[in-house]
Amino acid sequence: GAVVSQHPSWVICKSGTSVKIECRSLDFQATTMFWYRQFPKQSLMLMATSNEGSKATYEQGVEKDKFLINHASLTLSTLTVTSAHPEDSSFYICSATPFTGPSYEQYFGPGTRLTVT
Amino acid sequence: LAKTTQPISMDSYEGQEVNITCSHNNIATNDYITWYQQFPSQGPRFIIQGYKTKVTNEVASLFIPADRKSSTLSLPRVSLSDTAVYYCLVAPVTGGGNKLTFGTGTQLKVEL
Repeated sequence: GAVVSQHPSWVICKSGTSVKIECRSLDFQATTMFWYRQFPKQSLMLMATSNEGSKATYEQGVEKDKFLINHASLTLSTLTVTSAHPEDSSFYICSATPFTGPSYEQYFGPGTRLTVT
Repeated sequence: LAKTTQPISMDSYEGQEVNITCSHNNIATNDYITWYQQFPSQGPRFIIQGYKTKVTNEVASLFIPADRKSSTLSLPRVSLSDTAVYYCLVAPVTGGGNKLTFGTGTQLKVEL
């Protein structure tokens, strides 16, 4: 099946610094990728839709200047958490669907655990 | 996007069949029903998807009544490794992917 990877799998950073998380579709191309955030014991919350070659679409309440998304190619989307604060500590998950053929399945990455100290 | 309602948690024992029901009263004509499984600190994993009647694959069955206002995920003979959160999602299937709204999910706990 299709595989989505994320890097890093976990990261610890100091408050005020920026962190970049990569999401790659390893064996398929995707014009659209999605970024989710999940706090402990809670469900996934969609943050934004990443579109290849264009600006990301953010969900209501998500600061676009804080969570910068770049979809540079059909296999790579990056999420940069700028000026991170402890409340940004969370589990960040990306997903993608092959744009060729039926989009029956959305493939999720393994997630990135961000801890801001 | 259609809202879904699932039980918060369920308990079972190894070898039993588990049925998790999801309610989606305002499902739209072009919506599909998809179930995902999530283990702690991992991304969700696709289990099964259907539009109506019954769908079966190697890991589960999905039962959808004619009015499509609910669906039931059936896991045959569960094992300890099936302990996870199960999410029911309702959304249209479109080329290139579609936004998914995750509900609370059902925490399934399987014991010996």
